[in-house]
Amino acid sequence: EAQVTQNPRYLITVTGKKLTVTCSQNMNHEYMSWYRQDPGLGLRQIYYSMNVEVTDKGDVPEGYKVSRKEKRNFPLILESPSPNQTSLYFCASSFGTGGVYEQYFGPGTRLTVT
Amino acid sequence: GENVEQHPSTLSVQEGDSAVIKCTYSDSASNYFPWYKQELGKGPQLIIDIRSNVGEKKDQRIAVTLNKTAKHFSLHITETQPEDSAVYFCAAGLGGTPLVFGKGTRLSVIA
Repeated sequence: EAQVTQNPRYLITVTGKKLTVTCSQNMNHEYMSWYRQDPGLGLRQIYYSMNVEVTDKGDVPEGYKVSRKEKRNFPLILESPSPNQTSLYFCASSFGTGGVYEQYFGPGTRLTVT
Repeated sequence: GENVEQHPSTLSVQEGDSAVIKCTYSDSASNYFPWYKQELGKGPQLIIDIRSNVGEKKDQRIAVTLNKTAKHFSLHITETQPEDSAVYFCAAGLGGTPLVFGKGTRLSVIA
């Protein structure tokens, strides 16, 4: 089954404790992206990757890191999480460069930072 | 860069009525306009999309219209049903750049 998987689905952590949210897709997509969703603010892009070893900042990259060492994986790293990073996070992937193709979203990761 | 405005932010309709959600975009070069539906507890899922060489596209009870001159596009849902209740996002895109999403519309269909 074609899908984007994220882990963990739920995470409660404390300020400053480094964490990684994994994202994997099995569709051989070039493009992958991370979004955060907050009430009233919609989907805001954090980082995206057009291909392996190519990553770019989105609209809200501060406090986040990503890497794209393999085509299928695109982990999101919070080196020192803060309460304002409490949010619902989605990973997505698509063919090509992402702007003109269907994006497939993962099921989301709800993160709470206390 | 591209900016997408979406209205309304919330919409309630009676079952069987029609629902219309409108979006405007700023970059006249954008040529891809998808609509996503997000059900509770799930990630957004594409329901319909339109490209700039087409003015209207239908798929059963949903349709999207595009006015490139005015830079706006709309989602129309006819004969709404309770399972249409969800958050809907519009987006605008251009090859080589990321999709830009609107802030979403929460649609409630009242039985």
